[in-house]
Amino acid sequence: DAGVIQSPRHEVTEMGQEVTLRCKPISGHDYLFWYRQTMMRGLELLIYFNNNVPIDDSGMPEDRFSAKMPNASFSTLKIQPSEPRDSAVYFCASSYTVNQPQHFGDGTRLSIL
Amino acid sequence: RKEVEQDPGPFNVPEGATVAFNCTYSNSASQSFFWYRQDCRKEPKLLMSVYSSGNEDGRFTAQLNRASQYISLLIRDSKLSDSATYLCVVNQGGKLIFGQGTELSVKP
Repeated sequence: DAGVIQSPRHEVTEMGQEVTLRCKPISGHDYLFWYRQTMMRGLELLIYFNNNVPIDDSGMPEDRFSAKMPNASFSTLKIQPSEPRDSAVYFCASSYTVNQPQHFGDGTRLSIL
Repeated sequence: RKEVEQDPGPFNVPEGATVAFNCTYSNSASQSFFWYRQDCRKEPKLLMSVYSSGNEDGRFTAQLNRASQYISLLIRDSKLSDSATYLCVVNQGGKLIFGQGTELSVKP
């Protein structure tokens, strides 16, 4: 079975550029989560969706970050404009229900120069 | 105070050793609990859920004490392949709150 699929695996870009991260959740999972991981702050939840609807975006750092889920099989996390402090590993995860374990994608390693 | 706190580690143990990780959480309304494992430069993967009655999966035993808001993970007969970072995770209304993780290094 296919797991959570993220793209790209790596992204290196200059500050000020727009960055778009993509995620395909596991089929049938109603919940989709976006996380960011850094050495300093560990794993942090940015936003999560239930049935394509954003439920909690309190973890989104600032207006430069936005996330969408146009359908059950696709979500994007966009940073515009990007800054060096956005450099991190971004994970997408999905689950059947809100209390079930979450399954993570391989992550996108983002470097903003 | 952090919402989920773990032993800072790292833990360096010989093969065959028994090692225990501890974790405390601050929100008594937390609903479910997990241990995840994360290998270097990889994604977190579910190791096991943690139930109030305690549960075991092979060499791994997890315990939960809701009164003390304390979670533990015991690894018996540790293997080289157990080397990883172990993350204590608490579910609060759908939001997974991760501890900072405890690094385990098992040596030959």
